[in-house]
Amino acid sequence: AQTVTQSQPEMSVQEAETVTLSCTYDTSENNYYLFWYKQPPSRQMILVIRQEAYKQQNATENRFSVNFQKAAKSFSLKISDSQLGDTAMYFCAFSETMDSNYQLIWGAGTKLIIKP
Amino acid sequence: NAGVTQTPKFQVLKTGQSMTLQCAQDMNHNSMYWYRQDPGMGLRLIYYSASEGTTDKGEVPNGYNVSRLNKREFSLRLESAAPSQTSVYFCASSGPAYRGTMNTEAFFGQGTRLTVV
Repeated sequence: AQTVTQSQPEMSVQEAETVTLSCTYDTSENNYYLFWYKQPPSRQMILVIRQEAYKQQNATENRFSVNFQKAAKSFSLKISDSQLGDTAMYFCAFSETMDSNYQLIWGAGTKLIIKP
Repeated sequence: NAGVTQTPKFQVLKTGQSMTLQCAQDMNHNSMYWYRQDPGMGLRLIYYSASEGTTDKGEVPNGYNVSRLNKREFSLRLESAAPSQTSVYFCASSGPAYRGTMNTEAFFGQGTRLTVV
């Protein structure tokens, strides 16, 4: 069965610093997708970035980038120039490609606090 | 506003009471999901519906029932609430996933905080 592990329950950095959140996963599949979601205090889940396993190039979205290491089954999120609005829970998630349905497997989350 | 709408946002139930959480999406998505979120455990899938008229159990279906009323709506029912069902519940939807194509991300509602006393 697929599993997703986030080993950092909580992290705290100063505003403008760079922070990296770690995520590892376990699967026997070769093609799959990885996601980072942000959950601010409003509770809404917001997609931050996604990565297709068949792409070697790491995905980037403005200040957010990933370090995808397929052989190591690692998918870390780097936030550059962190801002107070980045304070949130961050969840790593995994999914396979399926014909007719779609399931996300979730990590337990990392609480990120950006300090002024 | 386009997206996933869940009601209610908050609910307190007594043990043994029943209630239905409502969810609707206006993005013409085939698939819809119900998750629960508990501290330190991430999101766990309760039920999902790959298309109108079909539903399947997820990781933690016991104590819940679902109904995919039409393509837009997917409700979650607690027939006899228990304190162990105290949680935050999320509804989500996603577009179709076909073999060989890129899967899409899920769009989430704002969640329902349910307390069973």
